[in-house]
Amino acid sequence: SQTIHQWPATLVQPVGSPLSLECTVEGTSNPNLYWYRQAAGRGLQLLFYSVGIGQISSEVPQNLSASRPQDRQFILSSKKLLLSDSGFYLCAWSVGAEGWGTEAFFGQGTRLTVV
Amino acid sequence: GEDVEQSLFLSVREGDSSVINCTYTDSSSTYLYWYKQEPGAGLQLLTYIFSNMDMKQDQRLTVLLNKKDKHLSLRIADTQTGDSAIYFCAETPPMDSSYKLIFGSGTRLLVRP
Repeated sequence: SQTIHQWPATLVQPVGSPLSLECTVEGTSNPNLYWYRQAAGRGLQLLFYSVGIGQISSEVPQNLSASRPQDRQFILSSKKLLLSDSGFYLCAWSVGAEGWGTEAFFGQGTRLTVV
Repeated sequence: GEDVEQSLFLSVREGDSSVINCTYTDSSSTYLYWYKQEPGAGLQLLTYIFSNMDMKQDQRLTVLLNKKDKHLSLRIADTQTGDSAIYFCAETPPMDSSYKLIFGSGTRLLVRP
């Protein structure tokens, strides 16, 4: 069966420090991978998506970057965190439109607080 | 364009029905979804509907789709305290190879005992 792992669950980082959040998927090949952010009291904003190794698309300009070094690994990074980077970060995967309807998987999320 | 809107808050009494509404702008969306997010957790897919359907029922959940008005609703029958959560509607823009989801801002459902 397919599973998705996201870590860490919570993180408190000072302004200006680097960030690395990791997400891995098991049980599937060549998934589409996504990073979403949920700011406090707000909806989900798509940050990055990847349809293959090394292929990263950015939805919004920001202080973050993403990488996909392996088929089932997706990493969200920042060189210097800003206060506005605080939020709840969710990794997700799919195998296509049908996949979203029947096999939609989200990680448990990482709550990032920048202080 | 891509935009999904929801009301922010709904409060109901336990045992009553809840209706959560959503409007979307991309009339060519082929899939529309409802997700549930419990506090501090990720999202759980509740149900989805194809755009060629008007209604879908799954146990206590009923999804209604009005394509003319671009309106999607989720009805929860016999609402329980465990249904308290944030509910997101989402659409998949067609002809988009990323299959990304566009989410609404979420409706916080509070079930009062």
